[in-house]
Amino acid sequence: DSGVTQTPKHLITATGQRVTLRCSPRSGDLSVYWYQQSLDQGLQFLIQYYNGEERAKGNILERFSAQQFPDLHSELNLSSLELGDSALYFCASSGTGSTNEKLFFGSGTQLSVL
Amino acid sequence: GENVEQHPSTLSVQEGDSAVIKCTYSDSASNYFPWYKQELGKGPQLIIDIRSNVGEKKDQRIAVTLNKTAKHFSLHITETQPEDSAVYFCAAHHGFQKLVFGTGTRLLVSP
Repeated sequence: DSGVTQTPKHLITATGQRVTLRCSPRSGDLSVYWYQQSLDQGLQFLIQYYNGEERAKGNILERFSAQQFPDLHSELNLSSLELGDSALYFCASSGTGSTNEKLFFGSGTQLSVL
Repeated sequence: GENVEQHPSTLSVQEGDSAVIKCTYSDSASNYFPWYKQELGKGPQLIIDIRSNVGEKKDQRIAVTLNKTAKHFSLHITETQPEDSAVYFCAAHHGFQKLVFGTGTRLLVSP
C-alpha cells in the first residue's frame, strides 16, 4: 500500500459529461501529481501541485482542470468528456527535501467514456 | 524538454534467466533515474533508483547501471521469477521538473 488514496476506482460516464477524480496524498506529502495512462501513450504527466499551488503543467487539455485544497487532497476535473479521454488516471505524491523525487502512486481511477 | 526512450517494449524470459531493460535520456542535466514496476490493476511502484553521482546500485536480484556520458541507464533482474512479470517503467528527473517516463516494457517470466 503506497499510502495514496484515489476514488473512485472505476467511473463510467457518457460523452459530454463532467467527472471529478479525487486523490489523498501520503501523510505529510505536499506534492501531488496527476498522470494519464492509456494503452498507446504510456504515463503522460498532466499537472503537479505543491502545497496548494500549481507547480508544473504537462499535456493537460483545457477541458481538464485540477486543484489542491488546504488539507492537501487534490481533485482532477474532466469536462466535456470525449471517447478518447477513456484511460487510467493516476495520482502520485512526493515528500520534501532529498526524497521529493520519489513518487508514490495510488491505484488509479479507470475512466470509461461511452 | 526531457525525452526518455525505453527498449524493448516486450520481453519474454524463462524462469531463472536474467532480464535487461534499457533506457536513454536526452537532457544531460537529469540527475535522478527511478524504475517503477506496475502489476495488473495497480499503480506503478518504485523498485529501485539511482542518482547521477553513482554508476551502479543493487538491491537483491535487481540492479541499475547508469552511463552519464552515453546518457543511458539499464535495469537488470537476475534469477527471474514468475512474480517478476509486470510492466516496468524507467524515468528521468531534473530538479523541479516533472518525472518523465519511458514507454514501458512488458516482462513475461514463464515457469
